[in-house]
Amino acid sequence: DTGVSQNPRHKITKRGQNVTFRCDPISEHNRLYWYRQTLGQGPEFLTYFQNEAQLEKSRLLSDRFSAERPKGSFSTLEIQRTEQGDSAMYLCASSPDGGDVGKNIQYFGAGTRLSVL
Amino acid sequence: AQKITQTQPGMFVQEKEAVTLDCTYDTSDPSYGLFWYKQPSSGEMIFLIYQGSYDQQNATEGRYSLNFQKARKSANLVISASQLGDSAMYFCAMREGDDYKLSFGAGTTVTVRA
Repeated sequence: DTGVSQNPRHKITKRGQNVTFRCDPISEHNRLYWYRQTLGQGPEFLTYFQNEAQLEKSRLLSDRFSAERPKGSFSTLEIQRTEQGDSAMYLCASSPDGGDVGKNIQYFGAGTRLSVL
Repeated sequence: AQKITQTQPGMFVQEKEAVTLDCTYDTSDPSYGLFWYKQPSSGEMIFLIYQGSYDQQNATEGRYSLNFQKARKSANLVISASQLGDSAMYFCAMREGDDYKLSFGAGTTVTVRA
């Protein structure tokens, strides 16, 4: 059983460039989440999917951020026209569907660390 | 308002000793879940333990136990018999009602000394 996989692990880009991150969830998990973590802080929720449906995206930080999960398997998070303030760790998590919402455990990947120069 | 408060930015503990990490939460929803995660320097968030708001007993998972005091809205993590590999950042998180997203605290860094 493989865990949540995120690629790349590190990304360095220049201000104004577009970047895309990929997340492969645990294979049987229908729910997929994106979080952002800045230095010294806890993760901050961005968006989540149930299968291919994006059920909440209001927390995406601006219209420069977008996420997709076209076939209900892997997901991508894109940041357009990056700014220095976008520098952070971007974490992906997945969880199974159904059951008690309260006990629904989210399993995280190792994250993609973005540095915008 | 902060939903999760972790007041200890960093703690040192001697190997084989126990350590308690504080977490207080704020919610008006009667149904919620509380979670603790460990984040080593590698970055991956590792799930440790879960406590539901209606659970009558404190959760335990191996060397981890959760001291749940509902009236005080606190959910402290106790790590017994600390090991060098326990050195990491620890986060408390909460899910409220039917909402799937987690709200995290700012974390506590634990350093285990030999």
